Amino acid sequence: RKEVEQDPGPFNVPEGATVAFNCTYSNSASQSFFWYRQDCRKEPKLLMSVYSSGNEDGRFTAQLNRASQYISLLIRDSKLSDSATYLCVVTGFHTGTASKLTFGTGTRLQVTL
Amino acid sequence: ETGVTQSPTHLIKTRGQQVTLRCSSQSGHNTVSWYQQALGQGPQFIFQYYREEENGRGNFPPRFSGLQFPNYSSELNVNALELDDSALYLCASSVDSEEGYTFGSGTRLTVV
Repeated sequence: RKEVEQDPGPFNVPEGATVAFNCTYSNSASQSFFWYRQDCRKEPKLLMSVYSSGNEDGRFTAQLNRASQYISLLIRDSKLSDSATYLCVVTGFHTGTASKLTFGTGTRLQVTL
Repeated sequence: ETGVTQSPTHLIKTRGQQVTLRCSSQSGHNTVSWYQQALGQGPQFIFQYYREEENGRGNFPPRFSGLQFPNYSSELNVNALELDDSALYLCASSVDSEEGYTFGSGTRLTVV
């Protein structure tokens, strides 16, 4: 089983739609959780951290369910500029004191007119 | 402006050669990690440095090695390059891992 699993997509949605991405992780000791966005041939950029209480940033809402080891990202009112790959990321202490990021393979979103 | 810069941006090497990739982190970012991202995959953890010492390593062979310097710069060295080493190599730095990492724009390495 992969440490972090995501549906690779692609998700093709019209502008203005609401789209949800899900992610599961295998290590119950994982410490922190993030969603990163990666545009084609660019570096990943932090979109938002994910907390158990849920957090919202404009059109984006992230949710963490530790009991189910499940993370979600909801995008409302999709824009063309939201087209990208969304990477689910968890951290947990690796060897020694290292805190490595473990990435899912990413979910590709394509927003169309 | 990412605050983490990597060089070179692109590189072509021949199988068997050695390569050094460089990263310059933001001031105060004591932790630097290197990741390998193959096409269509998420980044894979290579290793991490904290205050110039390696403090974690992923499933990569010893021919992948690194250094971190006091001026917040770091290097990734790969010896005896193989075709499968072709990938985007990302450097990421952080002050506090709880707050996430900032990535450089990466070095795209092609081994022929």
